[in-house]
Amino acid sequence: EPEVTQTPSHQVTQMGQEVILRCVPISNHLYFYWYRQILGQKVEFLVSFYNNEISEKSEIFDDQFSVERPDGSNFTLKIRSTKLEDSAMYFCASERDTNEKLFFGSGTQLSVL
Amino acid sequence: AQKITQTQPGMFVQEKEAVTLDCTYDTSDPSYGLFWYKQPSSGEMIFLIYQGSYDQQNATEGRYSLNFQKARKSANLVISASQLGDSAMYFCAMREGDSGNQFYFGTGTSLTVIP
Repeated sequence: EPEVTQTPSHQVTQMGQEVILRCVPISNHLYFYWYRQILGQKVEFLVSFYNNEISEKSEIFDDQFSVERPDGSNFTLKIRSTKLEDSAMYFCASERDTNEKLFFGSGTQLSVL
Repeated sequence: AQKITQTQPGMFVQEKEAVTLDCTYDTSDPSYGLFWYKQPSSGEMIFLIYQGSYDQQNATEGRYSLNFQKARKSANLVISASQLGDSAMYFCAMREGDSGNQFYFGTGTSLTVIP
């Protein structure tokens, strides 16, 4: 079965540094998402992306976050100046159409020191 | 109010027995979808089952079935014939049809299958 690929699986960074989390959605999918899960807590929506623009974002997704689809395959999440509280598992997800099931990647565990 | 409520932080079940994981939801949108995902210790999110608000029958996928009670706003997951590999976190999630395209997740239930 096709899958969403995320790299790296683990990222350790110093507070204040920029990180880019990378995702390759399933090739015929049109809707892309980033979610995060702080350890022991529920999965939280960050942002959705369609037709090369953000379609919806949560309160968490402030100015330090940005997303980009630089080419036909990659979908990236950039955190400009990381904070300790950004430490979490970040999931990318994609779907072919809305109201279908989301396919999740295996996540990037971000640790901010 | 919470969109998705999972009241069981942890559950235990004997191998080969059935187990029900509870989920209630809150929405005023007549069109919505309900999902269950499994998260093993390795961290990935695995889709299990989907139920649409207009679906007349309860969804089933192999050993997984969704007990959908619309009037009670509940969408419990039933796992039959539990296996050791079923030990994981289970998340209930909802998407509201016309209110955006984000998923709302519950806090999860940790299931442990005992040999």
